Amino acid sequence: DAGITQSPRYKITETGRQVTLMCHQTWSHSYMFWYRQDLGHGLRLIYYSAAADITDKGEVPDGYVVSRSKTENFPLTLESATRSQTSVYFCASGGLAETGELFFGEGSRLTVL
Amino acid sequence: QQPVQSPQAVILREGEDAVINCSSSKALYSVHWYRQKHGEAPVFLMILLKGGEQKGHEKISASFNEKKQQSSLYLTASQLSYSGTYFCGTQPIYNFNKFYFGSGTKLNVKP
Repeated sequence: DAGITQSPRYKITETGRQVTLMCHQTWSHSYMFWYRQDLGHGLRLIYYSAAADITDKGEVPDGYVVSRSKTENFPLTLESATRSQTSVYFCASGGLAETGELFFGEGSRLTVL
Repeated sequence: QQPVQSPQAVILREGEDAVINCSSSKALYSVHWYRQKHGEAPVFLMILLKGGEQKGHEKISASFNEKKQQSSLYLTASQLSYSGTYFCGTQPIYNFNKFYFGSGTKLNVKP
């Protein structure tokens, strides 16, 4: 089915562990984004990608790493998880230049103990 | 970089109107509006690309004042289904590739 999917949907980990959140889209959208959502802060941009092999930092990139070797995948890695990274993470994709609309995944709720 | 939204929260009775404002310190290429229901992903409502543009979606419409770098979302004759958190999203002219969201406005429509 066409769409954008995130995995895992829920994850509990411990401080210091590495965690990777996966994002896969089937529309061949050129743009992909990672946001974190925390109460009172709305959606904050972590990283974005304009195309395969092109990524750039957003507002809150510290502690996160991304890659985009294929257009359809945009994984987000927390190299050494901290409690402050407990959040709901949303991946989004869109054509931007074409329709402008962003399509969001269902979110990944991460808890760092 | 985040646009500023106001108010942070609104409580309405069915049939009442509301206005949500979004303001950016940077020149904008576009403004988007999204609605998020509790526990769900944000869903696109509309995009405004030109200064002074106004668009409508059912009884929800929006305006974009390019010179003031502001946008407003108008909800008229609110329905229970309008409840949720509304986000404005902005694309700055200086970096078209980035897309920033405001902190959100929580709308609660009561019977």
